[in-house]
Amino acid sequence: DGGITQSPKYLFRKEGQNVTLSCEQNLNHDAMYWYRQDPGQGLRLIYYSQIVNDFQKGDIAEGYSVSREKKESFPLTVTSAQKNPTAFYLCASSRGTGSSGANVLTFGAGSRLTVL
Amino acid sequence: QQQVKQSPQSLIVQKGGISIINCAYENTAFDYFPWYQQFPGKGPALLIAIRPDVSEKKEGRFTISFNKSAKQFSLHIMDSQPGDSATYFCAASKETSGSRLTFGEGTQLTVNP
Repeated sequence: DGGITQSPKYLFRKEGQNVTLSCEQNLNHDAMYWYRQDPGQGLRLIYYSQIVNDFQKGDIAEGYSVSREKKESFPLTVTSAQKNPTAFYLCASSRGTGSSGANVLTFGAGSRLTVL
Repeated sequence: QQQVKQSPQSLIVQKGGISIINCAYENTAFDYFPWYQQFPGKGPALLIAIRPDVSEKKEGRFTISFNKSAKQFSLHIMDSQPGDSATYFCAASKETSGSRLTFGEGTQLTVNP
């Protein structure tokens, strides 16, 4: 079945450590996204990529970094510069800009990061 | 920042009742309005979506009502069931330009048996 796989599902980090969240999709989607979810704040966009080797900052990119070396993969690194990293992180994908359904997002199951 | 305001933050209804969640947007250029449903510990999934050329769209027990002049749209869940208990997000975008979705804050719906 096509879909998005996020790993790990749960992750614990000590302060000052960088962690990387994995996101892989087999939907042949061009665009991929990372969202952060906090209670009562909806889904906030961290980074997005519309094509391989290109990505743009979202609304809350500070303290995060991404790469898009392959169409299928869009890993997110939460760096030590992110002051409040404890959250639920969601990866999503969609067809490319300009195509029908470009804004129809398919989400992964999420990764819950806790800073100890 | 383009915003989408969603209310209420939480909602409790009895089984068989009608659940109503409202959203308001600011950008009149928005032309795509989806609703996503999220169960605990899972990612959101597209539930139903509407474009502004119609005022209502119905899929089973779920209906979107759209008021272009008021810049508001709402989700109605008829005959609400305990299995509908989830968090619901509205969103909006200008699809034709490929703009990113702007999400509302979410509504946690609980349907009591």
